[in-house]
Amino acid sequence: SQTIHQWPATLVQPVGSPLSLECTVEGTSNPNLYWYRQAAGRGLQLLFYSVGIGQISSEVPQNLSASRPQDRQFILSSKKLLLSDSGFYLCAWGRDRPYGYTFGSGTRLTVV
Amino acid sequence: QKEVEQNSGPLSVPEGAIASLNCTYSDRGSQSFFWYRQYSGKSPELIMFIYSNGDKEDGRFTAQLNKASQYVSLLIRDSQPSDSATYLCAVRSSGYNKLIFGAGTRLAVHP
Repeated sequence: SQTIHQWPATLVQPVGSPLSLECTVEGTSNPNLYWYRQAAGRGLQLLFYSVGIGQISSEVPQNLSASRPQDRQFILSSKKLLLSDSGFYLCAWGRDRPYGYTFGSGTRLTVV
Repeated sequence: QKEVEQNSGPLSVPEGAIASLNCTYSDRGSQSFFWYRQYSGKSPELIMFIYSNGDKEDGRFTAQLNKASQYVSLLIRDSQPSDSATYLCAVRSSGYNKLIFGAGTRLAVHP
């Protein structure tokens, strides 16, 4: 069966520090991968998605970037964090239509 | 901008009652519709999806889709306190393989 791993679970980082969040998927090949952010009390905002190695699409202009160095690895990064980057970051993988996504356990990031 | 709208709640129902959660979407080309449950501090988990007009039942859950009205709903029968969570509606539109989420409805089931 497919599983998705995301770490770390929580992170407190100072403003201006770098960020690297990692997500890996097991049990499937060539998955579509997604990064979402959920601000406190808000819905999920799609940040990036990837349909293959090295293929990244950005949904919103922001202080973040994403990379997919391997088929089942998706990384979210920032060179300098802002206070507004705080939130709950979720990685997800998706199957073809009509199925939905499966989310990782998420990373709660607090920028101080 | 494709949008998915939900009432933020909280929707408060007594234990054993039917909870009705609603969602509207703006893109008429939308093809697949999903309901996720999210407990506080946890990640969303998929509970149902539907892509044909009508009803789809799974245990205590029934998803209803009306594409003409651009409306999808989730009914939870015999609501339990463990159903208390935020329910997220998500829509996959035609032409691209991305889910657009609503902000969620918070459900509170009280004993």
